[in-house]
Amino acid sequence: GAGVSQSPSNKVTEKGKDVELRCDPISGHTALYWYRQSLGQGLEFLIYFQGNSAPDKSGLPSDRFSAERTGGSVSTLTIQRTQQEDSAVYLCASSLAASGSLNTQYFGPGTRLTVL
Amino acid sequence: DQQVKQNSPSLSVQEGRISILNCDYTNSMFDYFLWYKKYPAEGPTFLISISSIKDKNEDGRFTVFLNKSAKHLSLHIVPSQPGDSAVYFCAASESLGGSEKLVFGKGTKLTVNP
Repeated sequence: GAGVSQSPSNKVTEKGKDVELRCDPISGHTALYWYRQSLGQGLEFLIYFQGNSAPDKSGLPSDRFSAERTGGSVSTLTIQRTQQEDSAVYLCASSLAASGSLNTQYFGPGTRLTVL
Repeated sequence: DQQVKQNSPSLSVQEGRISILNCDYTNSMFDYFLWYKKYPAEGPTFLISISSIKDKNEDGRFTVFLNKSAKHLSLHIVPSQPGDSAVYFCAASESLGGSEKLVFGKGTKLTVNP
């Protein structure tokens, strides 16, 4: 497919467990973003990757959250020792670049994370 | 502190009429604005955007207006169709800010009644 894909689509885990969420961006897109949407809220920025530059981690809510992007393509968001407040839909987006109109971001379907 | 605000959580219009969704922002450094549409259980879909050098951008039934002095933008959908029923998010970015992250409003749920 030509769009952003994410896996799994749904994840239910127990409090205290670690989870990994995966994102495959659109081929050729150099910028990749992670957001999350909690119930009744807008999308909250988490982290951003642009090419080989150091990622912008300013939106990560705690040190339990980390992300990596291997080979400039696939990205994994890891949440360690999950808490109930981590329950949300985690959305990945990619864009051609991170400049002006090239920063039109295209989103994947999201991963719905439920922490029991 | 919310930098992008959508003050109407919901809007209901009749099919064929105009839908107007509003968005206000506080950061004067924002220079690129986007509207996304989101259906349940799907990711947001890009709809239309506008650069701060323009005050209007039109694409078919969708027009976005930007009033920089008022820090206000709006999305007009005309004529509205039942398939337009979705949650609409306004987003903004700061090209010179380095990160290019999008700052989103909380969304407006549009219902178009047949």
